[in-house]
Amino acid sequence: AQSVTQLDSQVPVFEEAPVELRCNYSSSVSVYLFWYVQYPNQGLQLLLKYLSGSTLVKGINGFEAEFNKSQTSFHLRKPSVHISDTAEYFCAVRPYGGSQGNLIFGKGTKLSVKP
Amino acid sequence: DTEVTQTPKHLVMGMTNKKSLKCEQHMGHRAMYWYKQKAKKPPELMFVYSYEKLSINESVPSRFSPECPNSSLLNLHLHALQPEDSALYLCASSQDRTGGTDTQYFGPGTRLTVL
Repeated sequence: AQSVTQLDSQVPVFEEAPVELRCNYSSSVSVYLFWYVQYPNQGLQLLLKYLSGSTLVKGINGFEAEFNKSQTSFHLRKPSVHISDTAEYFCAVRPYGGSQGNLIFGKGTKLSVKP
Repeated sequence: DTEVTQTPKHLVMGMTNKKSLKCEQHMGHRAMYWYKQKAKKPPELMFVYSYEKLSINESVPSRFSPECPNSSLLNLHLHALQPEDSALYLCASSQDRTGGTDTQYFGPGTRLTVL
Protein backbone atom coordinates (compact mmCIF):
# COMPACT_ATOMS: atom_id res chain seq x y z
CA ALA A 1 0.00 0.00 0.00
CA GLN A 2 1.04 3.59 -0.52
CA SER A 3 0.66 6.67 1.64
CA VAL A 4 1.48 10.34 1.24
CA THR A 5 2.44 12.71 4.04
CA GLN A 6 2.38 16.44 3.59
CA LEU A 7 4.28 17.58 6.60
CA ASP A 8 2.78 21.05 6.92
CA SER A 9 -0.95 21.64 6.93
CA GLN A 10 -0.45 25.41 6.65
CA VAL A 11 2.43 27.50 5.36
CA PRO A 12 2.24 31.29 5.76
CA VAL A 13 4.80 33.27 3.79
CA PHE A 14 5.36 36.86 2.72
CA GLU A 15 5.12 37.91 -0.90
CA GLU A 16 8.37 37.54 -2.88
CA ALA A 17 9.81 35.13 -0.32
CA PRO A 18 10.82 31.58 -1.33
CA VAL A 19 8.66 28.65 -0.28
CA GLU A 20 9.00 24.90 0.03
CA LEU A 21 6.03 22.59 0.50
CA ARG A 22 7.11 19.19 1.75
CA CYS A 23 5.82 15.82 0.57
CA ASN A 24 7.01 12.39 1.64
CA TYR A 25 5.60 9.10 0.50
CA SER A 26 5.71 5.49 1.55
CA SER A 27 5.53 2.65 -0.96
CA SER A 28 6.89 -0.84 -1.41
CA VAL A 29 7.03 -0.29 -5.18
CA SER A 30 8.18 2.57 -7.38
CA VAL A 31 5.73 5.40 -7.85
CA TYR A 32 4.85 8.27 -10.13
CA LEU A 33 4.44 11.61 -8.39
CA PHE A 34 2.16 14.59 -8.91
CA TRP A 35 1.49 18.02 -7.44
CA TYR A 36 -1.93 19.61 -7.87
CA VAL A 37 -3.05 23.12 -6.86
CA GLN A 38 -6.59 24.07 -5.85
CA TYR A 39 -7.44 27.77 -5.80
CA PRO A 40 -10.37 28.81 -3.59
CA ASN A 41 -13.70 27.49 -4.87
CA GLN A 42 -12.10 25.80 -7.86
CA GLY A 43 -11.13 22.32 -9.03
CA LEU A 44 -7.65 20.80 -9.02
CA GLN A 45 -5.07 21.92 -11.56
CA LEU A 46 -1.99 19.86 -12.38
CA LEU A 47 1.15 21.79 -11.41
CA LEU A 48 3.76 19.21 -12.36
CA LYS A 49 4.50 15.51 -12.43
CA TYR A 50 7.43 13.14 -12.23
CA LEU A 51 7.16 10.04 -14.40
CA SER A 52 10.81 9.34 -15.28
CA GLY A 53 14.05 11.02 -16.32
CA SER A 54 15.49 14.11 -14.66
CA THR A 55 14.60 14.25 -10.98
CA LEU A 56 14.13 18.03 -11.14
CA VAL A 57 10.75 18.77 -12.65
CA LYS A 58 9.56 22.19 -13.70
CA GLY A 59 5.89 23.01 -13.71
CA ILE A 60 3.55 25.89 -14.35
CA ASN A 61 3.58 29.25 -12.55
CA GLY A 62 7.29 29.03 -11.72
CA PHE A 63 7.03 25.97 -9.47
CA GLU A 64 9.48 23.09 -9.49
CA ALA A 65 9.88 19.88 -7.53
CA GLU A 66 12.69 17.44 -6.96
CA PHE A 67 12.23 13.71 -6.68
CA ASN A 68 14.52 12.15 -4.10
CA LYS A 69 14.19 8.39 -4.18
CA SER A 70 16.45 7.70 -1.21
CA GLN A 71 14.48 10.09 0.99
CA THR A 72 11.14 9.19 -0.64
CA SER A 73 10.38 12.87 -1.03
CA PHE A 74 8.97 15.15 -3.71
CA HIS A 75 9.13 18.65 -2.28
CA LEU A 76 7.63 21.59 -4.17
CA ARG A 77 9.52 24.88 -4.37
CA LYS A 78 9.13 28.37 -5.73
CA PRO A 79 11.87 31.00 -5.42
CA SER A 80 9.52 33.98 -5.12
CA VAL A 81 5.79 33.68 -4.38
CA HIS A 82 2.96 36.00 -5.33
CA ILE A 83 -0.32 36.76 -3.61
CA SER A 84 -2.00 34.78 -6.40
CA ASP A 85 -0.21 31.59 -5.27
CA THR A 86 -2.47 31.46 -2.21
CA ALA A 87 -4.15 28.07 -2.56
CA GLU A 88 -4.30 24.48 -1.33
CA TYR A 89 -1.56 22.22 -2.69
CA PHE A 90 -1.95 18.44 -2.91
CA CYS A 91 0.83 15.92 -3.44
CA ALA A 92 -0.26 12.60 -4.96
CA VAL A 93 1.34 9.29 -5.96
CA ARG A 94 0.41 6.36 -8.16
CA PRO A 95 2.34 3.08 -8.04
CA TYR A 96 3.98 1.64 -11.16
CA GLY A 97 1.37 -0.52 -12.82
CA GLY A 98 -1.38 1.04 -10.74
CA SER A 99 -4.95 1.16 -11.95
CA GLN A 100 -6.59 4.37 -13.08
CA GLY A 101 -8.25 4.86 -9.73
CA ASN A 102 -5.16 4.33 -7.66
CA LEU A 103 -4.11 7.97 -7.17
CA ILE A 104 -3.31 8.55 -3.52
CA PHE A 105 -3.50 12.12 -2.24
CA GLY A 106 -1.86 13.73 0.73
CA LYS A 107 -4.01 15.80 3.08
CA GLY A 108 -2.97 19.06 1.47
CA THR A 109 -0.97 22.13 2.44
CA LYS A 110 -2.60 25.52 2.55
CA LEU A 111 -0.21 28.17 1.30
CA SER A 112 -1.10 31.69 2.43
CA VAL A 113 0.89 34.50 0.84
CA LYS A 114 0.77 37.78 2.75
CA PRO A 115 1.62 41.23 1.35
CA ASP B 1 -6.46 21.71 -24.46
CA THR B 2 -6.76 20.08 -21.06
CA GLU B 3 -10.22 21.26 -20.16
CA VAL B 4 -12.85 19.34 -18.30
CA THR B 5 -16.15 21.18 -17.90
CA GLN B 6 -18.77 20.60 -15.24
CA THR B 7 -22.32 21.87 -14.86
CA PRO B 8 -23.87 23.26 -12.82
CA LYS B 9 -21.30 25.19 -10.77
CA HIS B 10 -23.60 25.28 -7.77
CA LEU B 11 -26.59 23.13 -6.85
CA VAL B 12 -28.93 23.32 -3.89
CA MET B 13 -31.37 20.46 -3.47
CA GLY B 14 -33.74 19.03 -0.93
CA MET B 15 -33.51 15.50 0.36
CA THR B 16 -36.42 14.36 -1.82
CA ASN B 17 -35.18 15.92 -5.05
CA LYS B 18 -33.64 14.19 -8.05
CA LYS B 19 -30.88 16.06 -9.83
CA SER B 20 -27.92 15.33 -12.10
CA LEU B 21 -24.37 16.59 -12.37
CA LYS B 22 -22.75 16.68 -15.79
CA CYS B 23 -19.14 16.46 -16.91
CA GLU B 24 -17.69 16.78 -20.39
CA GLN B 25 -14.24 16.48 -21.95
CA HIS B 26 -13.06 16.67 -25.55
CA MET B 27 -9.48 15.52 -25.10
CA GLY B 28 -10.15 12.01 -26.39
CA HIS B 29 -9.65 10.60 -22.91
CA ARG B 30 -11.09 7.15 -22.30
CA ALA B 31 -11.18 7.16 -18.50
CA MET B 32 -13.45 9.42 -16.46
CA TYR B 33 -13.79 9.80 -12.71
CA TRP B 34 -16.06 11.19 -10.03
CA TYR B 35 -14.55 12.43 -6.78
CA LYS B 36 -16.15 13.88 -3.67
CA GLN B 37 -14.28 16.55 -1.73
CA LYS B 38 -15.28 17.80 1.70
CA ALA B 39 -13.93 21.08 3.02
CA LYS B 40 -10.22 21.08 3.90
CA LYS B 41 -9.85 17.44 2.77
CA PRO B 42 -8.31 15.79 -0.31
CA PRO B 43 -10.62 14.39 -3.00
CA GLU B 44 -12.08 10.93 -2.38
CA LEU B 45 -12.58 8.65 -5.36
CA MET B 46 -16.18 7.56 -6.00
CA PHE B 47 -16.34 5.99 -9.46
CA VAL B 48 -14.12 5.27 -12.46
CA TYR B 49 -15.29 4.62 -16.01
CA SER B 50 -12.92 3.09 -18.51
CA TYR B 51 -14.00 2.94 -22.15
CA GLU B 52 -17.55 3.80 -21.05
CA LYS B 53 -17.76 0.88 -18.63
CA LEU B 54 -17.84 1.24 -14.87
CA SER B 55 -14.55 -0.18 -13.66
CA ILE B 56 -14.37 1.06 -10.06
CA ASN B 57 -17.11 1.78 -7.54
CA GLU B 58 -15.65 2.71 -4.17
CA SER B 59 -18.62 1.38 -2.18
CA VAL B 60 -20.63 4.51 -2.86
CA PRO B 61 -24.26 4.56 -1.59
CA SER B 62 -26.88 3.81 -4.23
CA ARG B 63 -28.33 7.30 -3.91
CA PHE B 64 -25.43 8.24 -6.21
CA SER B 65 -25.81 6.71 -9.68
CA PRO B 66 -23.16 7.31 -12.35
CA GLU B 67 -23.75 7.12 -16.07
CA CYS B 68 -21.38 7.37 -19.03
CA PRO B 69 -23.49 7.91 -22.19
CA ASN B 70 -20.42 8.20 -24.42
CA SER B 71 -16.68 8.67 -24.20
CA SER B 72 -16.95 12.45 -23.72
CA LEU B 73 -19.74 12.64 -21.16
CA LEU B 74 -20.14 11.57 -17.57
CA ASN B 75 -23.21 12.11 -15.42
CA LEU B 76 -23.86 11.65 -11.73
CA HIS B 77 -27.52 11.18 -10.86
CA LEU B 78 -28.52 12.16 -7.34
CA HIS B 79 -31.60 11.00 -5.46
CA ALA B 80 -32.65 11.11 -1.82
CA LEU B 81 -29.40 12.66 -0.67
CA GLN B 82 -28.55 13.47 2.92
CA PRO B 83 -27.18 16.76 4.29
CA GLU B 84 -23.81 15.04 4.85
CA ASP B 85 -23.57 14.57 1.08
CA SER B 86 -23.00 18.31 0.73
CA ALA B 87 -19.55 18.69 -0.83
CA LEU B 88 -17.62 19.69 -3.93
CA TYR B 89 -18.03 17.03 -6.62
CA LEU B 90 -15.12 16.86 -9.00
CA CYS B 91 -14.94 15.18 -12.37
CA ALA B 92 -11.63 14.15 -13.90
CA SER B 93 -10.47 12.42 -17.06
CA SER B 94 -7.33 10.70 -18.30
CA GLN B 95 -6.05 8.85 -21.34
CA ASP B 96 -6.34 5.53 -19.50
CA ARG B 97 -2.77 4.44 -20.20
CA THR B 98 -1.71 1.25 -18.49
CA GLY B 99 1.27 1.16 -16.17
CA GLY B 100 0.41 4.10 -13.96
CA THR B 101 1.73 7.00 -16.04
CA ASP B 102 -1.85 8.15 -16.64
CA THR B 103 -2.41 11.79 -15.65
CA GLN B 104 -5.78 12.93 -14.42
CA TYR B 105 -7.14 16.34 -15.39
CA PHE B 106 -9.84 17.81 -13.17
CA GLY B 107 -12.85 19.98 -13.82
CA PRO B 108 -13.82 23.01 -11.70
CA GLY B 109 -16.34 21.05 -9.68
CA THR B 110 -19.99 21.35 -8.67
CA ARG B 111 -20.64 22.73 -5.20
CA LEU B 112 -23.60 20.70 -3.88
CA THR B 113 -25.66 21.72 -0.87
CA VAL B 114 -28.32 19.33 0.43
CA LEU B 115 -30.94 20.92 2.66
